[in-house]
Amino acid sequence: DAKTTQPTSMDCAEGRAANLPCNHSTISGNEYVYWYRQIHSQGPQYIIHGLKNNETNEMASLIITEDRKSSTLILPHATLRDTAVYYCIPITKTSYDKVIFGPGTSLSVIP
Amino acid sequence: GAVVSQHPSRVICKSGTSVKIECRSLDFQATTMFWYRQFPKQSLMLMATSNEGSKATYEQGVEKDKFLINHASLTLSTLTVTSAHPEDSSFYICSAETLRDPGSDIQYFGAGTRLSVL
Repeated sequence: DAKTTQPTSMDCAEGRAANLPCNHSTISGNEYVYWYRQIHSQGPQYIIHGLKNNETNEMASLIITEDRKSSTLILPHATLRDTAVYYCIPITKTSYDKVIFGPGTSLSVIP
Repeated sequence: GAVVSQHPSRVICKSGTSVKIECRSLDFQATTMFWYRQFPKQSLMLMATSNEGSKATYEQGVEKDKFLINHASLTLSTLTVTSAHPEDSSFYICSAETLRDPGSDIQYFGAGTRLSVL
């Protein structure tokens, strides 16, 4: 599985866009980039995933560089409820592939 | 999205007792579920893969006789912490993937169970 590097922590002002980077330079061609987040003392929550095209859903946007060595998760208008640890995880799409969590980025949304 | 329920949400027990944690997929069937453990200020650590109707697959370093996993139906997996000791105090979380979104490989997580062993 590809290794990932994420900032340990980030701050974002409420209402502004939060841009969370992830480096996955060793990602293989069949690995998708998944993002999950964990709000304090809760179970993780799926956010978004992609292979090479940019993706958007009701929660966030995912921008993947053309060489696929890095990606950025964008929360367009961060709220206090977006304060959480965000995990970038490369996963090969096979049945019931394990989700292995790294340290992630602790995002603090500040009023 | 699919719903995964864990019970209990919090449990306090005496050292030496066994504790059972249930993980249910409420609106879908899950042939495979996963169990994680999380210590304070640390990331989730995968403990084992629970397979319906067969033995669980444990990650390296996880004692299978200590953490008993049973996946007797397509909607229920249980984790039993046997002879619990204070060092087993942790946040235990389960997850499952719904076949409703084949190929999506999205994991849905329970809310977690906080175990405190006195």
